[in-house]
Amino acid sequence: GDSVTQMEGPVTLSEEAFLTINCTYTATGYPSLFWYVQYPGEGLQLLLKATKADDKGSNKGFEATYRKETTSFHLEKGSVQVSDSAVYFCALFSGGYNKLIFGAGTRLAVHP
Amino acid sequence: GAVVSQHPSRVICKSGTSVKIECRSLDFQATTMFWYRQFPKQSLMLMATSNEGSKATYEQGVEKDKFLINHASLTLSTLTVTSAHPEDSSFYICSARDIPGGTDTQYFGPGTRLTVL
Repeated sequence: GDSVTQMEGPVTLSEEAFLTINCTYTATGYPSLFWYVQYPGEGLQLLLKATKADDKGSNKGFEATYRKETTSFHLEKGSVQVSDSAVYFCALFSGGYNKLIFGAGTRLAVHP
Repeated sequence: GAVVSQHPSRVICKSGTSVKIECRSLDFQATTMFWYRQFPKQSLMLMATSNEGSKATYEQGVEKDKFLINHASLTLSTLTVTSAHPEDSSFYICSARDIPGGTDTQYFGPGTRLTVL
């Protein structure tokens, strides 16, 4: 079945460091891909999305490119801030199952 | 962007009581709403999908008589945890999609933390 695999956390970085959180997927067809962010005690917020191969989603300095050849959607940010500390979820929309399928989540901790 | 609210944000109840959680789409009509459960430091687990005016579709292993879902209007879905027990304590999150079917974005509510004593 369709699935999403994320790198295990926690990821701990100093402020202004470069961030990469890896995400790969398995799916039939051409799923839409998403990154959601969850701050402590809150629900999920959509961070960015891409709906077809080679699309780049971007928001708030974060970017991810839909790579069909490597079935990946890695999240990157050039310079992280303390306020970016949160849990990041990679997800795909599975047309076959008609639902979002989430990765396990990656906790990011940024310290000053 | 689209806003989804949940109420209450936090509830504490005694074992054996029932708890109702509301999920509202504030600025769009949600033909489909989803209910998730999240255990501490874990990912979201889809419990059920509800379409306005029809019965909810439950994921395998989710007891439909335990978790009653009603989606009576295009802006409101409710989840009732019946005869709650401590093992039902969890973070419940709803989401809403504003286009029937398709792959469009889901917007998430802020979540409801349920604690059953």
